[in-house]
Amino acid sequence: QVQLVQSGAEMKKPGSSVKVSCKASGGTFSSFTFSWVRQAPGHGLEWMGGIISIFHTTNYAQKFQGRVTITTDESTSTAFMELTSLTSEDTAVYYCAGTLEPVYYFDFWGQGTLVTVSS
Amino acid sequence: EIVMTQSPATLSVSPGERATLSCRASQSVSDNLAWYQQKPGQAPRLLIYGASTRATGFPARFSGSGSGTEFTLTISSLQSEDFAVYYCQQYNNWPPITFGQGTRLEIK
Repeated sequence: QVQLVQSGAEMKKPGSSVKVSCKASGGTFSSFTFSWVRQAPGHGLEWMGGIISIFHTTNYAQKFQGRVTITTDESTSTAFMELTSLTSEDTAVYYCAGTLEPVYYFDFWGQGTLVTVSS
Repeated sequence: EIVMTQSPATLSVSPGERATLSCRASQSVSDNLAWYQQKPGQAPRLLIYGASTRATGFPARFSGSGSGTEFTLTISSLQSEDFAVYYCQQYNNWPPITFGQGTRLEIK
C-alpha cells in the first residue's frame, strides 16, 4: 500500500521561498514518478512539474520555470518541491502525487500542504 | 499547451439517475486521459486512466469512454457518495500536464 505523507502547513512572507516534502512508503522509490499539483482556494488543479525517477528526468510547467525546483532523496524516500519568490497568488494547497509507472497520471496523492503567503 | 474543457460546469442529478460528464481536448491526446474525483477537504482520487480503465476501489457504475479529443465519464446510477467534483487530465503531451476546470456533480 503506497502512502505519500507531506510536511505541514506553512505561512510565508511575500518574496520568500517554501520547501514542501513528501515521504513515500510502500513502493520501490526508484520506480516512482512524482508530480506537484496545486489548488488555490475554490479553484481547480494545476500541475507544476514532475520527476520520472526511472529516467532521471524532471519536467516543469513553463508558468513556474525558474521558480520551482523538484528533487528527490532516495536515501529518505522523499520528494521535495521548492517554490521561490512567493506572492499572494501562490496561496494554495500543494499536493504531491505519483505513480509507480513512468507516466504522468496520479494513482497516489499526499494529504496536501497549505501554503499561505501573506504580509 | 493542450487545453482541456469540461462541460457542464455544474450538473444536478437525482440519486439513482445517470450522470454524463464531458471533457474535450484542444488537440488529440489519444487515450492518455484520466479522470479524478475530489470531495471537499480531500485530495483528488484517481478514478479512470487510459480513458476507460477503472482504478482500484471504484465500482462498475463508473465508466469512461472516448479517444482523441472527446471523452465521457458516465455514472450509471448515482449514489450519495458520488456527489463531488470531477476533473479530467491529459498526460499525452507534456509539459505541461493539463487538467480540465472540473464539473461539480450536485444532488438535485
